[in-house]
Amino acid sequence: QVQLKESGPGLVQPSQTLSLTCTVSGLSLTSNSVSWIRQPPGKGLEWMGVIWSNGGTDYNSAIKSRLSISRDTSKSQVFLKMNSLQTEDTAMYFCARTPYWGQGVMVTVSS
Amino acid sequence: DVLMTQTPVSLPVSLGGQVSISCRSSQSLVHSDGNTYLHWYLQKPGQSPQLLIYRVSNRFSGVPDRFSGSGSGTDFTLKISRVEPEDLGVYYCLQSTHFPPLTFGSGTKLEIK
Repeated sequence: QVQLKESGPGLVQPSQTLSLTCTVSGLSLTSNSVSWIRQPPGKGLEWMGVIWSNGGTDYNSAIKSRLSISRDTSKSQVFLKMNSLQTEDTAMYFCARTPYWGQGVMVTVSS
Repeated sequence: DVLMTQTPVSLPVSLGGQVSISCRSSQSLVHSDGNTYLHWYLQKPGQSPQLLIYRVSNRFSGVPDRFSGSGSGTDFTLKISRVEPEDLGVYYCLQSTHFPPLTFGSGTKLEIK
């Protein structure tokens, strides 16, 4: 049974760095890519980036300069780090490997 | 990047009725491998999106046959017949032909009339 579960802080201060973890079970990260997708409250879905099965990454050009995705295959975890957070980064953050999605973690950027 | 234009934004429906949602892409979604990677998701309130239809017209496991997808090239449609209360939520189209990036439609909210 494939499961993805996001974890991380619910509150981040403006200008700080967001760090999230996606813990994956039921599939191998060396055979599957994992994407991060976010959704501001009441709004649509925005793809942020992907880590491929070979460990390579691709990012949304709009946030590429602030975003880093990495992984630890031994722990079956994928990490997201995004710096210089602003209030507009307040969103639900999901990790996903189609058709499987995590339940998401809500991140609020506020002082 | 491929722009996905989804209409309507809001779709009032009576239970038992039938509706259609349109999704148009700014360029053809036919992949070089011959497949078309256009998918449909439903996001119910407070939940993560769930896959309904993959590659234009294939129902995902457990999806009732009330849901059907069609289209080709740049023009796609999701039809829902005999709408039930559990169908309410926001529907998104998604293209993965030109991945990266993945691009989503802006969503269609299905609500009771």
